[in-house]
Amino acid sequence: EAQVTQNPRYLITVTGKKLTVTCSQNMNHEYMSWYRQDPGLGLRQIYYSMNVEVTDKGDVPEGYKVSRKEKRNFPLILESPSPNQTSLYFCASRRDRNYGYTFGSGTRLTVV
Amino acid sequence: GENVEQHPSTLSVQEGDSAVIKCTYSDSASNYFPWYKQELGKGPQLIIDIRSNVGEKKDQRIAVTLNKTAKHFSLHITETQPEDSAVYFCAARLSGGSYIPTFGRGTSLIVHP
Repeated sequence: EAQVTQNPRYLITVTGKKLTVTCSQNMNHEYMSWYRQDPGLGLRQIYYSMNVEVTDKGDVPEGYKVSRKEKRNFPLILESPSPNQTSLYFCASRRDRNYGYTFGSGTRLTVV
Repeated sequence: GENVEQHPSTLSVQEGDSAVIKCTYSDSASNYFPWYKQELGKGPQLIIDIRSNVGEKKDQRIAVTLNKTAKHFSLHITETQPEDSAVYFCAARLSGGSYIPTFGRGTSLIVHP
């Protein structure tokens, strides 16, 4: 089944403890992105990648890192999480720039 | 950059009625307009899209219209059913640069049986 898989689905952590949210797609898509979703603010892009080893900042990149060492994987790294990063996170991929996204099921992150 | 406004934020209809969600965009260089449906506890799912060389597109009970002159596009759902209840997002993508879409803030559609 064609899909974007992200893990974990739920995560509660403490301020300052480094964490990684994994994302993998099995559709050989070129583009991958990370979004956060907050009430009333919709979907805001954190980082995106147009190909292996090519990443760029989205609208809200502060406090996040990404890497794209393989085409299928695009992990999101929070080096020192803070409570304002409590949110619902989505990984997404698309075949190329002319198509819409396939989204993962989301990761609900709580930073206390 | 692109700016997308989406209205209404909440829409409540009776089963069988039609629902219309409207979006406006700011940059005339945008040429791709997808719509996503997000059900509770799930990620957004692409349900229909339209490109700037087309004025209307239909897929069963859903349709999207685009007015490039006015820079607005709309999602139309006919004969609504309870399973249409979800949050709907519109997006507009520029034809150059990073080709990254800008999303509207979403419309919560509630279909009452």
